[in-house]
Amino acid sequence: GQSLEQPSEVTAVEGAIVQINCTYQTSGFYGLSWYQQHDGGAPTFLSYNALDGLEETGRFSSFLSRSDSYGYLLLQELQMKDSASYFCAVPGASKIIFGSGTRLSIRP
Amino acid sequence: DAGVIQSPRHEVTEMGQEVTLRCKPISGHDYLFWYRQTMMRGLELLIYFNNNVPIDDSGMPEDRFSAKMPNASFSTLKIQPSEPRDSAVYFCASSPREGGGLTDTQYFGPGTRLTVL
Repeated sequence: GQSLEQPSEVTAVEGAIVQINCTYQTSGFYGLSWYQQHDGGAPTFLSYNALDGLEETGRFSSFLSRSDSYGYLLLQELQMKDSASYFCAVPGASKIIFGSGTRLSIRP
Repeated sequence: DAGVIQSPRHEVTEMGQEVTLRCKPISGHDYLFWYRQTMMRGLELLIYFNNNVPIDDSGMPEDRFSAKMPNASFSTLKIQPSEPRDSAVYFCASSPREGGGLTDTQYFGPGTRLTVL
């Protein structure tokens, strides 16, 4: 079967750096996506890694290691507006599976 | 562009009633997705279309659920008859052709919060 695991909650301080991990078990792996969702809002696409390595987009970076079936989302210079849930997802040939989400809380 | 448009934003209905959710994708996007999100089951892909044709509907829970896309700018998700366990937020999303749909950026609508009493 297919599954993704990510921590349910993470707390960090404003201005700091936080890493949200995701491990996956899938067949026919294509890549790893990350989405952000604020309370009451819709998911917003953040990144997609098809190849191993780190991809940076502003304050957010995403990493993938296909050999370890592992990836992470790195958020730098945390701002209060980054408080949200973050989902990793594995898109396949005809399906996409989402993790259960990590709720990021940021303290001043 | 206005983004993905969904209606209604909120729907409260009684068990046994028919519910129709509507979606207008972003103009020019070839893929359209219907998702359901609940606390218990998370975000689940129900069905998706490519160029108005259903590609995979294996996520549709049961025969009470049906989806159509009569043209490139409109899709519906229908539940008949509705049950309390169908209560959830239903999202519609669309994506352009380049990435092939599932691996490409998906743009989500604001969702419809459905409550079945």
